[in-house]
Amino acid sequence: NAGVTQTPKFRVLKTGQSMTLLCAQDMNHEYMYWYRQDPGMGLRLIHYSVGEGTTAKGEVPDGYNVSRLKKQNFLLGLESAAPSQTSVYFCASSSPGLAGTDTQYFGPGTRLTVL
Amino acid sequence: SQKIEQNSEALNIQEGKTATLTCNYTNYSPAYLQWYRQDPGRGPVFLLLIRENEKEKRKERLKVTFDTTLKQSLFHITASQPADSATYLCALDYKLSFGAGTTVTVRA
Repeated sequence: NAGVTQTPKFRVLKTGQSMTLLCAQDMNHEYMYWYRQDPGMGLRLIHYSVGEGTTAKGEVPDGYNVSRLKKQNFLLGLESAAPSQTSVYFCASSSPGLAGTDTQYFGPGTRLTVL
Repeated sequence: SQKIEQNSEALNIQEGKTATLTCNYTNYSPAYLQWYRQDPGRGPVFLLLIRENEKEKRKERLKVTFDTTLKQSLFHITASQPADSATYLCALDYKLSFGAGTTVTVRA
């Protein structure tokens, strides 16, 4: 099993450009998440999905959109990139466990720079 | 909203010693708390989960405690090794809130 994979690994954008980050998981997990990680701020949840066709906002959703058309894929879109969106983006997936616990499996990350 | 804080300073310790990391939270009572390890350039990896009704949890050389009165979790790495050098993150249950992490460096 590949686990959680992310495409691309690195990307440089100019302000105003758009792009889509792809996350794929092969563990048949129901839940998927997108986080961004900035120095000194830890992981912050952007959007998440609890099932195919459903999405919800996290802590920092502005400037991002997501789609979950297939259970195994979760896409993160930036419509008009801004320098403030320079960050490392992590995708994660999980399947609710015993007594409602939720352990997440993370992808390797995408390093995005917006100039 | 809930807030989660970890040791702000990096932790440098000698091989063989015990590293103790702190995770404090406010404005929330989590049903469980998780600890993850993150190596440079990689995604976090799950280590341990402790529930609100558990005082202590162990896995090999790792030990986690959970004090709901103090709103604090402690993460211990005993008999530390250079391979334990990494950043360790704590996370609050369903709130999906992660601390900024504590970077541990173990000197040989």
